[in-house]
Amino acid sequence: DAGVIQSPRHEVTEMGQEVTLRCKPISGHNSLFWYRQTMMRGLELLIYFNNNVPIDDSGMPEDRFSAKMPNASFSTLKIQPSEPRDSAVYFCASSSRGWDEAFFGQGTRLTVV
Amino acid sequence: AQSVTQLDSQVPVFEEAPVELRCNYSSSVSVYLFWYVQYPNQGLQLLLKYLSGSTLVKGINGFEAEFNKSQTSFHLRKPSVHISDTAEYFCASIKAAGNKLTFGGGTRVLVKP
Repeated sequence: DAGVIQSPRHEVTEMGQEVTLRCKPISGHNSLFWYRQTMMRGLELLIYFNNNVPIDDSGMPEDRFSAKMPNASFSTLKIQPSEPRDSAVYFCASSSRGWDEAFFGQGTRLTVV
Repeated sequence: AQSVTQLDSQVPVFEEAPVELRCNYSSSVSVYLFWYVQYPNQGLQLLLKYLSGSTLVKGINGFEAEFNKSQTSFHLRKPSVHISDTAEYFCASIKAAGNKLTFGGGTRVLVKP
C-alpha cells in the first residue's frame, strides 16, 4: 500500500482565501484523523472519523474549519476564510482500529500570508 | 483527563552514546502507550507501542521502552545512537478502547558526530 496520501504537500495562500486539504487513507482503515502541528501548540487533534462519520470534532478551532469524509477513501479539511494564524503543518492519519497504531501522511505545510 | 508530559524538549547526544527520552502520562483509566518518530519534513512513524503484557517493549531501529505503572512512565531508550536518529520523538497515549490519541510536546534529539 502507498500509505496515507495527502495533497498538496505545500500550500501558500493569501489571507481570506479558501483552502482545501485532501487525504486518502490506507485502504481498509476505518478510522481517520486530522491533526495540526505548530511550534507553539505541538500536535493537536482536530477531528476524528470512524466509518466516514465524524465522531469527535471538539478540536476544530473555529467555524472557519470544516471536514468531510464522503467515502472511505477520501477526506477533506477546509478552511474558509483562511488567516495567518492558520499557518501550520496539517497531518492526516488513518488506523484500522481507532485505539491502535495510526499511520500518518507526510503532511501539508500551509502558509497563509 | 488524559495528558502526556515529555520532560526534555531537546536532547543532544554524541554518536554511539546511549540516549533516554522521558515520558510520563496521567490517566485515571488504563491506557495504551506509543512512541512515534518524526524525521525532518516527514510525517510521524510508529517506533513501538505498549498495549499489554511484557512491560519491556522492543521497537524498530534498536529502540525499546519500559512501561512502569507505579511511576506512570514510558521512557524510551537506545543503547547506541546513530546520526540518522536525529529527529523529533513523540510519546502518546490513548485510553483503552478509546479513540483519542494524546501526544506529548515532543523531544528533539540531535546526534553529534
